[in-house]
Parts: sequence; structure tokens; C-alpha cells
Amino acid sequence: ELKVEQNPLFLSMQEGKNYTIYCNYSTTSDRLYWYRQDPGKSLESLFVLLSNGAVKQEGRLMASLDTKARLSTLHITAAVHDLSATYFCAVDAYNNNDMRFGAGTRLTVKP
Amino acid sequence: GAGVSQSPRYKVAKRGQDVALRCDPISGHVSLFWYQQALGQGPEFLTYFQNEAQLDKSGLPSDRFFAERPEGSVSTLKIQRTQQEDSAVYLCASSFLPGAGANVLTFGAGSRLTVL
Repeated sequence: ELKVEQNPLFLSMQEGKNYTIYCNYSTTSDRLYWYRQDPGKSLESLFVLLSNGAVKQEGRLMASLDTKARLSTLHITAAVHDLSATYFCAVDAYNNNDMRFGAGTRLTVKP
Repeated sequence: GAGVSQSPRYKVAKRGQDVALRCDPISGHVSLFWYQQALGQGPEFLTYFQNEAQLDKSGLPSDRFFAERPEGSVSTLKIQRTQQEDSAVYLCASSFLPGAGANVLTFGAGSRLTVL
């Protein structure tokens, strides 16, 4: 069974600081997704990573994928309050299109 | 439609009642997923359709849960004899093209079920 693990589950940061969220998964896959969820809202797509070594950046967020290590990272640079949300990674079971999510990282950015 | 539409947005049920939750995906989207999200948790996979075919229902927690998508568009998740542990937000998501390239899901706003 495909398992997706994120850490940390809770992250409190000061504005201006950098940090990395990690996502490990248990089976062969080269498709990794990051989503954002604001309180009381549904999930919105942030990044799609489709190959080993893929890197995507949007503003202060950068996501990367290492399929050999079965690891994706979401790096936050110079955090700002607007980034406060819960971030989920998700993985397609290889050749199965069966999307499984991690438990999420609840990020709080403090002034 | 422009997005994934779910109804009802909120449902309060007495324990033992049956409920039906509806999902209207984006027109033309082949794949449809149902997830259960408990408070403060990640979405837990329930079931997956490709057109009208239910390809995976391994996440349905019990035989009280049933999902269908008879014409390959609208889907209904039915929960029979609801229990308090069924209280959660039920998320529906759809995507256009399975099996090739990205499978980015578009989520609906969810149906929040509270079982008293």
C-alpha cells in the first residue's frame, strides 16, 4: 500500500526565516504534487513534479523531487505571514492514478 | 461547470440516518476521487472512479459506505446508518487525463457531515 509521510506536522516560524518541509513516500512513483489548504477552505494545487530532479519555484516556495530517495522537499525562503496554511504532498501510485496524501504540515508564520 | 461542485455543504444527521453526498465534477474530467478529511488531518482516500468504473474502493471504511458514478459524470457517496465517527469533511476531486502527464486534482469545497 502506498504510504506518504510528511514532517514536521506542525511548524511555527518567524517571518524572514527559512525552513524545509519533507515528504517521503513508500512506492515507485515519479509524480509528486504539493497542495495548500487555508483554514475552512479546500485544497489548491501548488506544484507538480513529474521527474527525478524536478524543481519548481513560485515566489518564496520551492519544491524538488528525488525519485531515487522517494523524497520531495518544500523549501520556504524568507517566510511571510501570508504563507500560513497547511501544506500537503500527494503521490500517484505508479501507473495507477490513485492519489494518496500525506497528513499535512501546518505552518504558522509569526511576526 | 467552472469548478467541482459538492452538495450539501453542511449536513447534520442523527446517528443511524442515511446520508447522500453529491459531487458534480468539471465537465470532461475522467477521474473522480472521494476523500474523507477529519478535523486537523490530511485527506484520506476513499474511492476512485475512471469514468463510470470504480477502479479502487479500498479506502471505504466499512460496508456502510457506497459510491457510484453511473453515467461517468455526477457521483454520489452514500453512508448508511451513520455513526459519530463518520463526522468529517468529505472532499470530492476530479482530474482530466489519467495515465499521462500530470494528474492535478481540482477539489470541491467539501461536504461537512456532523453526526449527532
